[in-house]
Amino acid sequence: DAGVIQSPRHEVTEMGQEVTLRCKPISGHNSLFWYRQTMMRGLELLIYFNNNVPIDDSGMPEDRFSAKMPNASFSTLKIQPSEPRDSAVYFCASSFIGNTIYFGEGSWLTVV
Amino acid sequence: AQSVTQPDIHITVSEGASLELRCNYSYGATPYLFWYVQSPGQGLQLLLKYFSGDTLVQGIKGFEAEFKRSQSSFNLRKPSVHWSDAAEYFCAVGAVQGAQKLVFGQGTRLTINP
Repeated sequence: DAGVIQSPRHEVTEMGQEVTLRCKPISGHNSLFWYRQTMMRGLELLIYFNNNVPIDDSGMPEDRFSAKMPNASFSTLKIQPSEPRDSAVYFCASSFIGNTIYFGEGSWLTVV
Repeated sequence: AQSVTQPDIHITVSEGASLELRCNYSYGATPYLFWYVQSPGQGLQLLLKYFSGDTLVQGIKGFEAEFKRSQSSFNLRKPSVHWSDAAEYFCAVGAVQGAQKLVFGQGTRLTINP
């Protein structure tokens, strides 16, 4: 079975550029999560969706960050404009509500 | 709100030795508890989980964990570690209801001496 698929795996971009991270959850899962991992703050939940609807975006750092889930099999996390402090690993994860959350391999973002 | 504390930032053990990684949680109701492992440059892989029932849970790769409600702990153990167990280990607590937001501890980095 395919797991959570994220792209790109690695991205290096210049400050001010737009960054779009993509995620395909596991088929049949109806919850999707975006996490960010940094050395300083560890793993933080940015936003999660149930049945494609954003439920809690309290972890989104600021207005530069936005996330969408247009359908059950696709989600994006966009940063515009990007800043060096956004450099982190961004994980997408999915679950069937009330069950185990499975993580993707992560998108390693470096903003220079 | 739930929280997780992993008191040990870094642990070093010798190959073949036993291992215990500590995890303490704070949550006002019955928690869902998880241990994930992250190898360098990789994503998080689920080792084991506790939802209910037997408080001693078995996971993959020979790991086990014991839920102790009285101590608010969910420590991870392995009787004999292998060099391939070197990784970062994360304990997480989730709410029983709803979409199960996970709150993670800061992680414990495990180094294995040959």
